[in-house]
Amino acid sequence: EAGVVQSPRYKIIEKKQPVAFWCNPISGHNTLYWYLQNLGQGPELLIRYENEEAVDDSQLPKDRFSAERLKGVDSTLKIQPAELGDSAVYLCASSLSAGLETQYFGPGTRLLVL
Amino acid sequence: RKEVEQDPGPFNVPEGATVAFNCTYSNSASQSFFWYRQDCRKEPKLLMSVYSSGNEDGRFTAQLNRASQYISLLIRDSKLSDSATYLCVAYQGGKLIFGQGTELSVKP
Repeated sequence: EAGVVQSPRYKIIEKKQPVAFWCNPISGHNTLYWYLQNLGQGPELLIRYENEEAVDDSQLPKDRFSAERLKGVDSTLKIQPAELGDSAVYLCASSLSAGLETQYFGPGTRLLVL
Repeated sequence: RKEVEQDPGPFNVPEGATVAFNCTYSNSASQSFFWYRQDCRKEPKLLMSVYSSGNEDGRFTAQLNRASQYISLLIRDSKLSDSATYLCVAYQGGKLIFGQGTELSVKP
């Protein structure tokens, strides 16, 4: 069974440019998560979707970050404009449903903002 | 103060050693706890859940003390392949709260 797919795997951009990340969750998984992981830190939740509804976006910096999950499957996370401090790994995860279902992580997108 | 705190590490141990990781959490409302493993430049993967009664999976033993808000992971007879970062995780309010991770390096 295919795991969580993310693209691109690596992205280098200049500050103030926009960037977008794409995630395809495991088939049948209704809940999708976007996490941010800084070097030497654990992942931090940015947003959680249940189907197409964003049920927890309290940690998403809404001035520059946006996300969508059209049709309740694939999701994109966008940053516009990017800042130097946005350099990090952006991880997508999915689970069958919300609650204590195991979350499966994708390989992440490593972003470097110059 | 972080909601989930771990030993800073790194831990450098020889093969065959026993190593213990400690973790504390600040929110007593946390419902469940887990240990995740993250290899270098890879994604986190669930290692095991943590129960109050303690649970064991081969060489790995996890323990939870709710009164002290303390979680531990013990690895016995460590292998080279155990080298990774171990993340302590609390589940609360519908989301996972990760500690900063403790790096383990097992040497021959």
